[in-house]
Amino acid sequence: GAGVSQSPSNKVTEKGKDVELRCDPISGHTALYWYRQSLGQGLEFLIYFQGNSAPDKSGLPSDRFSAERTGGSVSTLTIQRTQQEDSAVYLCASSLARLAQETQYFGPGTRLLVL
Amino acid sequence: DQQVKQNSPSLSVQEGRISILNCDYTNSMFDYFLWYKKYPAEGPTFLISISSIKDKNEDGRFTVFLNKSAKHLSLHIVPSQPGDSAVYFCAASGDNFNKFYFGSGTKLNVKP
Repeated sequence: GAGVSQSPSNKVTEKGKDVELRCDPISGHTALYWYRQSLGQGLEFLIYFQGNSAPDKSGLPSDRFSAERTGGSVSTLTIQRTQQEDSAVYLCASSLARLAQETQYFGPGTRLLVL
Repeated sequence: DQQVKQNSPSLSVQEGRISILNCDYTNSMFDYFLWYKKYPAEGPTFLISISSIKDKNEDGRFTVFLNKSAKHLSLHIVPSQPGDSAVYFCAASGDNFNKFYFGSGTKLNVKP
């Protein structure tokens, strides 16, 4: 079956512009995560959605970052007024349920470069 | 402050030998640990996990060892194969299963 997909695969933008990154999780997966991987760093947790519950936004680095998940499926991560330090690979993952034991399936990521 | 650390950015091993990838963590509340493998231009894929009630978990050529007192885990791959060449991330989770903390990764190169 189809895995997690993300679009665009690459995005180059100018400093100060807004960007939207999209994630299509695996059908039926109720949990959805966004991570960021900066150069030479591990995956940094950003936000977590579980079903219709309020998302855990505790990992978002600033109020320029926001995310939505519509209808419990597709998610959009929005970065407003991008800064050069936002350049990273943004990874989305989904899992069947809200348990650590449930494997997270990752998308290929969106490579964001802010000039 | 990184709670999960992989201090070796890279490792090179001859085909057929053992690869040992190490990971250290600082938070004693972590009780579930995972290893992911990542090929270039792809997302990480789950490899193996271990719960803190165990000190070893084996799956084919892959074995994960957990030393809770040392807050250390390691991934052993034996025998190593060229197709194992990838970046390996360890990750940990605690009582808040929402969050997974990842290390910075170790790039493994298995030479034919």
